[in-house]
Amino acid sequence: KAGVTQTPRYLIKTRGQQVTLSCSPISGHRSVSWYQQTPGQGLQFLFEYFSETQRNKGNFPGRFSGRQFSNSRSEMNVSTLELGDSALYLCASYPDLTGGITEAFFGQGTRLTVV
Amino acid sequence: SQQGEEDPQALSIQEGENATMNCSYKTSINNLQWYRQNSGRGLVHLILIRSNEREKHSGRLRVTLDTSKKSSSLLITASRAADTASYFCATDGYSGSARQLTFGSGTQLTVLP
Repeated sequence: KAGVTQTPRYLIKTRGQQVTLSCSPISGHRSVSWYQQTPGQGLQFLFEYFSETQRNKGNFPGRFSGRQFSNSRSEMNVSTLELGDSALYLCASYPDLTGGITEAFFGQGTRLTVV
Repeated sequence: SQQGEEDPQALSIQEGENATMNCSYKTSINNLQWYRQNSGRGLVHLILIRSNEREKHSGRLRVTLDTSKKSSSLLITASRAADTASYFCATDGYSGSARQLTFGSGTQLTVLP
C-alpha cells in the first residue's frame, strides 16, 4: 500500500504570493490532518478533514485554508505569504476505524521557504 | 500551542546504552503516542498507549504512562546509531469526532557509534 504522498517536497515563494500544497492519503483513509512545523513553535495542528468536511481547525489566521475532495485527497492553501510561514508542512491520514484509537500516518512533508 | 514539554531537549549517548525521554502534558487524553522524525522528514509512529494502560512494550521500546501526573516516558534499550532522530510525544483527545494530535517540544537523540 502506498503511503501518504505530499507534493511538492520543496517550494520557494515570495512574500505576498499564495501557495497550494497537496496531500494524497493512504488508500481507504478518509481523515486527513495538516500540521505546521517550525523551529520556534514546534508542531502545530492546522486543520482536519473527514469526508470533505472540515471537522476541526487550529489557531491559525484565515490566510490558511484547506479542502478535501471526494477521493479524500486534500489541499491546503496559504494566501498572502509571510516570512513566518516558512515551515515544514506535514499531512497525516487516519484509517476509518470504529472505536477511533489509531495512530496517524504522516507524509514526508512539504518544505516551504518564503523569501 | 504545545501540549507540554519533553525532557531532555537533547540527549547524547553511546551505542548500546539506554535512552530515556520524558513527556508532560496538560489536558485529559484518550491516548498518547510517540513518533520519531529523522532530520526534517516526516513523522514515523512508534507506539501508542491508551489512557487506561500504564506500560507498553514494542521491541526495544518501552513506554509508561502516568495519567495522575500527566506524564509519559519512552525508553529505548540497546540504542543504535540508526536511532539518532528527534522523538516527539503526542496526545490525542479524540472524542469520536475530530482528530487532533498535540505534540510536545521533542527530544533530539544522538547515538554515537
